[in-house]
Amino acid sequence: EDQVTQSPEALRLQEGESSSLNCSYTVSGLRGLFWYRQDPGKGPEFLFTLYSAGEEKEKERLKATLTKKESFLHITAPKPEDSATYLCAVQFWGGGTSYGKLTFGQGTILTVHP
Amino acid sequence: EAGVAQSPRYKIIEKRQSVAFWCNPISGHATLYWYQQILGQGPKLLIQFQNNGVVDDSQLPKDRFSAERLKGVDSTLKIQPAKLEDSAVYLCASSPKRESTDTQYFGPGTRLTVL
Repeated sequence: EDQVTQSPEALRLQEGESSSLNCSYTVSGLRGLFWYRQDPGKGPEFLFTLYSAGEEKEKERLKATLTKKESFLHITAPKPEDSATYLCAVQFWGGGTSYGKLTFGQGTILTVHP
Repeated sequence: EAGVAQSPRYKIIEKRQSVAFWCNPISGHATLYWYQQILGQGPKLLIQFQNNGVVDDSQLPKDRFSAERLKGVDSTLKIQPAKLEDSAVYLCASSPKRESTDTQYFGPGTRLTVL
């Protein structure tokens, strides 16, 4: 069964303290790996898509990387406004008609203290 | 460009009652998704439409859930009768076309509480 696991479940950082979030997956053929940010009471907001091992994407203080079995979301010098739940999702080949289906991890709750 | 719209934002019902949620996707987006997000979990796909046809409803509890997308634009998700375990946020998402690697854009969700 295809699975997506995120760690840690929760992360508390001081402002400026860099860290990484992990997303590991067991799928038979990755089409794409997506990172979303979700604020309380809102829907997920798209951040990045990664397609192949070795690929990296950056946006402000965030950098996403991908290997064959996991992805990391690196947060450099975070600010309190980076506090949110970060969701990882995977699309895989061989899903039949489910070619658009995203399989999500449970998310990492990030809190950045001033 | 307007985002995905959903209504209502909040709904409280008693078990065995019925409820309906509405979604208006981003203009021109062919594919529409309904996800269920239980507190503390990631979203789980319920149903996927391509234009007005169902592509995947394998995880939709068809004995109580139904969905339609008339004219390939707006969509409605219904629960009848509701159970306590249906308490969750129902998210609608849309993407431009058939390609699965298209980005999915999410609406704000409808938070359902079943008492």
